[in-house]
Amino acid sequence: DTGVSQDPRHKITKRGQNVTFRCDPISEHNRLYWYRQTLGQGPEFLTYFQNEAQLEKSRLLSDRFSAERPKGSFSTLEIQRTEQGDSAMYLCASSPQGTALTKNIQYFGAGTRLSVL
Amino acid sequence: DAKTTQPNSMESNEEEPVHLPCNHSTISGTDYIHWYRQLPSQGPEYVIHGLTSNVNNRMASLAIAEDRKSSTLILHRATLRDAAVYYCILRVNTGTASKLTFGTGTRLQVTL
Repeated sequence: DTGVSQDPRHKITKRGQNVTFRCDPISEHNRLYWYRQTLGQGPEFLTYFQNEAQLEKSRLLSDRFSAERPKGSFSTLEIQRTEQGDSAMYLCASSPQGTALTKNIQYFGAGTRLSVL
Repeated sequence: DAKTTQPNSMESNEEEPVHLPCNHSTISGTDYIHWYRQLPSQGPEYVIHGLTSNVNNRMASLAIAEDRKSSTLILHRATLRDAAVYYCILRVNTGTASKLTFGTGTRLQVTL
């Protein structure tokens, strides 16, 4: 399977703990996005990388959240001192450099579901 | 991004066509109309997009009103596997990539 891969699929943690999620984009996709989705809502944008550069961050991304893409391939999203309000599905997407037609299509992973107790 | 309005839910019988509407009265001339869908327990999946002309692909058809203030996603023969939340999204196709701004979408139920 050459789609976007996210690990883990599920994470249960206690309030105050740190968690880290990993996203492996489709090979050679230079753009990578993180979104958060709560129950009954559409995904909300968190941050975006082009290669290793983080080019945009949402105001939703508080100082407890940090994302990296050190070599322009996989990315990690870390949440420090988790709170119950952080419980959500965290989705990763990637898109190619491609043509005008293809580069604006985003391919999503299945997500990591976080439950903070 | 300009706002879109979709019905919260729709129902269809299997094997019948489904027309999913989207209103986007504040669309600008450079906004493309994108549709994604999200099956249960999966991430969103690209369906189709267009600017002014109607578009067809293997998954669906997109019909765009002449004034571009509304569009309709058409599934020609709904199957149980088409049960999902369908999102209509406007975005500018520029040289730089941009985020997707999702609304709450339309939940499509397909019954036998």
